[in-house]
Amino acid sequence: EVQLVESGGGLVQPGRSLKLSCVASGFTFSNYGMNWIRQAPGKGLEWVAYISSGSSYIYYAETVKGRFTISRDNAKNTLYLQMTSLRSEDTALYYCARFSFAYWGQGTLVTVSS
Amino acid sequence: DVVMTQTPVSLSVAIGQPASISCKSSQSLVGTSGKTYLNWLLQRPGQSPKRLIYLVSKLDSGIPDRFSGSGSETDFTLKISRVEADDLGVYYCLQGTHFPLTFGSGTKLEIK
Repeated sequence: EVQLVESGGGLVQPGRSLKLSCVASGFTFSNYGMNWIRQAPGKGLEWVAYISSGSSYIYYAETVKGRFTISRDNAKNTLYLQMTSLRSEDTALYYCARFSFAYWGQGTLVTVSS
Repeated sequence: DVVMTQTPVSLSVAIGQPASISCKSSQSLVGTSGKTYLNWLLQRPGQSPKRLIYLVSKLDSGIPDRFSGSGSETDFTLKISRVEADDLGVYYCLQGTHFPLTFGSGTKLEIK
């Protein structure tokens, strides 16, 4: 069974950093690109970033480019999202999803507030 | 960036009646491979999104054939032939052809 489990969310002050993790199981993680998607409270879905299976191709939404870094460790079956210079508008539930969005995690909540 | 214009914003449908959601993209979603990466997802209240349809019209495993997807280039439609109570939630279209990937703004389906 495919499982994606996010962690690392929490309350953080504006301007600070946070690193999210997504542990994958039930499939060969190193064969698939991965995405981060977020959803602000009461709002729609926003794609954040993508990383290819071997980390050769990485793309970001303009809203996070230069502040967020997506990475992965295929040996640990883990996807990461390093978030810096956090803003109140980054407050959201952050999901990881496998390449074509067939599988999603349950999300981890990031709240940016002083 | 590709803008996904999804309509209607909300839909109230009686059990057993059909429903239809439109999604229009600001540019063609046909990729260099010739494939069209248009997905439909459903987010039930309090749950993670779930993909229903990929590549415009292919149903995911376990998705009832009451759901169907159609369209091409820039114009796409999700249809539910007979709405059931379990279909309530917010439906999103998602284009996976061009980075940055973009979602439609969502259609909230309510049961009348």
